[in-house]
Amino acid sequence: DAKTTQPPSMDCAEGRAANLPCNHSTISGNEYVYWYRQIHSQGPQYIIHGLKNNETNEMASLIITEDRKSSTLILPHATLRDTAVYYCIVRVARNYGQNFVFGPGTRLSVLP
Amino acid sequence: DTAVSQTPKYLVTQMGNDKSIKCEQNLGHDTMYWYKQDSKKFLKIMFSYNNKELIINETVPNRFSPKSPDKAHLNLHINSLELGDSAVYFCASSQDPSPLPQHFGDGTRLSIL
Repeated sequence: DAKTTQPPSMDCAEGRAANLPCNHSTISGNEYVYWYRQIHSQGPQYIIHGLKNNETNEMASLIITEDRKSSTLILPHATLRDTAVYYCIVRVARNYGQNFVFGPGTRLSVLP
Repeated sequence: DTAVSQTPKYLVTQMGNDKSIKCEQNLGHDTMYWYKQDSKKFLKIMFSYNNKELIINETVPNRFSPKSPDKAHLNLHINSLELGDSAVYFCASSQDPSPLPQHFGDGTRLSIL
C-alpha cells in the first residue's frame, strides 16, 4: 500500500472549516483513500473514503485531486469534539489488512 | 449497542504471566483484526481472520496466539508477558473483501510491571 504524508499538527477555530491535507504521491489505481480519527483514549473512528470522485457524508467531505496524488479532508464546521488525531491511509479494496499501518497522523486542535 | 467490544479495558499484570483479551463484534462482519498501538502511537496490524481462518500473521512473536471460535469473536492470548508488550491493543472488524471500512473497539491498555 502507498505511503501517506500528513502535517503533524493543525489548529482550527471552532465553527470554522478544518482542511486537513494528505499527500499520497505513489498511490496506485486500485487504492482507496481512507480517513479515520482517534479521539483520546478511544479506538480509531472511520470518517470517509473515496477512490477518484469527491465524497461527502454527514461527518466530512473528501476532496481528491485529479491525479490522485493528494487529498483533503474537510470538516465544514469544526467543534471542540472534533479535536483528535486524523489519519489518512491508502489501501486496496481486496485487502485483509496487509501493510495497513496508521502513521502519526495530524493532531487537530479545535480552539474556542 | 456497541459494535466492537473488547474486554478488559485495562490489564495490569506482571512479567511472565499469561493473559487473554476478548473481542466480539455484532456487525455480522466476516473479517476481524488485532492491532497494536505502541508508545509512539503507530497502529500496526498483528493478525487478521476471515471466517475463522487466519489470513495475516505479521511479524509477531509466537507468544501471541489469536483464536477465533466463531466469526463474531476473535480473542488474543499472550504467553510469558514481557515489558515490551505494554501497549494498547485494538480489535477491529470489517466486511472484506470490499472497500468498506474497519470498525474498531475502544482498546485494551496492557501494562506490564
